[in-house]
Amino acid sequence: AQSVTQPDIHITVSEGASLELRCNYSYGATPYLFWYVQSPGQGLQLLLKYFSGDTLVQGIKGFEAEFKRSQSSFNLRKPSVHWSDAAEYFCAVGPDNYGQNFVFGPGTRLSVLP
Amino acid sequence: DADVTQTPRNRITKTGKRIMLECSQTKGHDRMYWYRQDPGLGLRLIYYSFDVKDINKGEISDGYSVSRQAQAKFSLSLESAIPNQTALYFCATSGGRGRGGELFFGEGSRLTVL
Repeated sequence: AQSVTQPDIHITVSEGASLELRCNYSYGATPYLFWYVQSPGQGLQLLLKYFSGDTLVQGIKGFEAEFKRSQSSFNLRKPSVHWSDAAEYFCAVGPDNYGQNFVFGPGTRLSVLP
Repeated sequence: DADVTQTPRNRITKTGKRIMLECSQTKGHDRMYWYRQDPGLGLRLIYYSFDVKDINKGEISDGYSVSRQAQAKFSLSLESAIPNQTALYFCATSGGRGRGGELFFGEGSRLTVL
């Protein structure tokens, strides 16, 4: 079965600093991978997704993520964090052709210091 | 207006009461989902439906039931609420076939069972 781990429960960075949120997955074939962001009191919004092709994908709000098959990772990065990026971030593996639905990681809460 | 609308947004109820959470969507998607979010656990799938005549249990369906009244409407019911069903509930839709579709989320319904 698919699984997703996000090793960091909570990360604090200063505004303007770079950010990397880690995501590792377990999946037997090429995964479809997603990053979602949840701002306080809001639903989840898609930041970016990887299906195939270029392993570095660009998303909204200046985020990017890199798929590394050898490390089973899909880490999210941003070169300069803004205070408005404070939120919870979820990595997810998408459905497969055998009935498996989306599987979400436990989330990483990001705090941004002024 | 939001593409995926959940009502109510907040509800406090007592143990043993019947509760219904409603979801409607204007995206024209066939696939609809109910998720439950608990701190540190990410999102867990309760039920999903790929069309009006198709209802499937997710990983945590015990204590819940659903109704797909139309393509655009998918309701979640707690027949006899208990305190450990206190959580944030999300409805989501997907228009994808097979592996291709991302999830679009409502803003969530926060349920507290006393």
